[in-house]
Amino acid sequence: RKEVEQDPGPFNVPEGATVAFNCTYSNSASQSFFWYRQDCRKEPKLLMSVYSSGNEDGRFTAQLNRASQYISLLIRDSKLSDSATYLCVVNRYSGAGSYQLTFGKGTKLSVIP
Amino acid sequence: EPEVTQTPSHQVTQMGQEVILRCVPISNHLYFYWYRQILGQKVEFLVSFYNNEISEKSEIFDDQFSVERPDGSNFTLKIRSTKLEDSAMYFCASSDIHEQYFGPGTRLTVT
Repeated sequence: RKEVEQDPGPFNVPEGATVAFNCTYSNSASQSFFWYRQDCRKEPKLLMSVYSSGNEDGRFTAQLNRASQYISLLIRDSKLSDSATYLCVVNRYSGAGSYQLTFGKGTKLSVIP
Repeated sequence: EPEVTQTPSHQVTQMGQEVILRCVPISNHLYFYWYRQILGQKVEFLVSFYNNEISEKSEIFDDQFSVERPDGSNFTLKIRSTKLEDSAMYFCASSDIHEQYFGPGTRLTVT
């Protein structure tokens, strides 16, 4: 089983639509969770951290279910500028000051006018 | 807003040559990382660095790779003898604790 698994997409949605991304992770020792976005040939940019209680940042809502090892991201009222690849990322503390991020392959989103 | 910077943005080198990729992490961060991304593939962890030493490295980070923090601001990745399969984007990242911020990357092309 892959460490972090995501639907590769692509998701093609019209402007204004709501879109949901799902992610599962295999390492139960994972301690913190993130969504990053990556534009073509650019660096990953932190979108939001994900907490068990769920958290919201404007049009973006993230959820974590530790029991199911499942993470989600919901984008409401999609904008053209949301077009990017969304990366599900888990963080594991392996001791001696080492936090190691494990990335999923990403889900590509295209928002269409 | 503070950011991670990397130089050069693009490096072309011949197989067998040494390359040094440079990074300036965010100034108050204590943890530093290198990742790579081969075109079309996922981002992969290479190495983490804390308190002036390597804290963890992946299987990719073999004896051809080394990292150094030569002064209070720079963090470098050296590849001693490049191979064709080292061609990739190399991202430096830094963090205070959990949230890692990435630099714009160096595109390394080995010919």
